Amino acid sequence: AQSVTQLDSQVPVFEEAPVELRCNYSSSVSVYLFWYVQYPNQGLQLLLKYLSGSTLVESINGFEAEFNKSQTSFHLRKPSVHISDTAEYFCAVSGTQGGSEKLVFGKGTKLTVNP
Amino acid sequence: NAGVTQTPKFRILKIGQSMTLQCTQDMNHNYMYWYRQDPGMGLKLIYYSVGAGITDKGEVPNGYNVSRSTTEDFPLRLELAAPSQTSVYFCASTGVFWYEQYFGPGTRLTVT
Repeated sequence: AQSVTQLDSQVPVFEEAPVELRCNYSSSVSVYLFWYVQYPNQGLQLLLKYLSGSTLVESINGFEAEFNKSQTSFHLRKPSVHISDTAEYFCAVSGTQGGSEKLVFGKGTKLTVNP
Repeated sequence: NAGVTQTPKFRILKIGQSMTLQCTQDMNHNYMYWYRQDPGMGLKLIYYSVGAGITDKGEVPNGYNVSRSTTEDFPLRLELAAPSQTSVYFCASTGVFWYEQYFGPGTRLTVT
């Protein structure tokens, strides 16, 4: 069965600093990988995805993630964060249940950007 | 489009009471999901549905029931509320791309 480990539950950083949120996955088959973001008091939104092709994927707001098959990782990075990036970030991996594709979520990493 | 809507936003239940959490989507999505989110535990899938009339259990279905009589609605029923069901509940749906789930704003439920 697929699983996801997010190595940090909380990451505090200062505005304009770089950040990396770590995610490792386990799977015996090919996977699709995702990062979702949850802003305070809201539902989750898809931030970026890796399905195939280039191992480096980018979001529209400056985040990027790199699929590393040998290290089974999909870390999320941003070179310079803003206050508005404060949110909880969830790494997810594709899984199959009952013949349907499902998302298996990690426990989340709370990113707090301080002024 | 309103997207995925959930009602109520907040609810406090006494142990043993029952309630229904409502979820509606206006995107004509076939797939719908119910998750619970507990602090530090991520999201756990409770039930899902691949279309009207078809539902199946997820990872943590005990204590819950669902129905899907229409494409738009996917209510979650708690029959005998227990403190362990204190959580934030999210409904989600997917369209063409199964991995792009659209989430509602959540229902915060407290059972005391």
